[in-house]
Amino acid sequence: DSGVTQTPKHLITATGQRVTLRCSPRSGDLSVYWYQQSLDQGLQFLIQYYNGEERAKGNILERFSAQQFPDLHSELNLSSLELGDSALYFCASTKAGGGGGQFFGPGTRLTVL
Amino acid sequence: QKEVEQDPGPLSVPEGAIVSLNCTYSNSAFQYFMWYRQYSRKGPELLMYTYSSGNKEDGRFTAQVDKSSKYISLFIRDSQPSDSATYLCAMRPGTASKLTFGTGTRLQVTL
Repeated sequence: DSGVTQTPKHLITATGQRVTLRCSPRSGDLSVYWYQQSLDQGLQFLIQYYNGEERAKGNILERFSAQQFPDLHSELNLSSLELGDSALYFCASTKAGGGGGQFFGPGTRLTVL
Repeated sequence: QKEVEQDPGPLSVPEGAIVSLNCTYSNSAFQYFMWYRQYSRKGPELLMYTYSSGNKEDGRFTAQVDKSSKYISLFIRDSQPSDSATYLCAMRPGTASKLTFGTGTRLQVTL
């Protein structure tokens, strides 16, 4: 158990809908990273937050957004869902200085029908 | 060309064998190197974390980094069926940077 929690485990929804994925980092970790894992693309970085502020953006679609709250949990919002958004979504966290590896949560499996 | 290249396998070895997993990369700015193990449909689990060139050993696992060749390796000694998983290399330039992953190598350890 990495100490990073994610909810829900599974989401099944229809095209055009909007969903919210939630992540709680390890106790004391200030940085949260979101990644998408699909069969053909592997693990791709989406976005990073540090202590409530956006720090870096990767290949995140405009239909996707995220935020980190004062209690450090983070939410990833996916809207106008398309079939191609079906994937595993992981969040990871690191300690304040960033040293050491990133610790991943169990992921949310999103299926868009 | 991808920044990080990793043979997808699958790699099948008998129990007790020494396994060698490798990645090459093109970005010379990468300073921090990691290996993750991922079981099917689970989150990646951090196995090894190294900084710059050199070796690091942890139990049955040894990580090697050769920055001059832009080549990293993970060795697994006395492989067990429970080691059957996908192994992902990952790297980043700075301590708080995003990770860039290889595509993963699927390992199967047979009895």
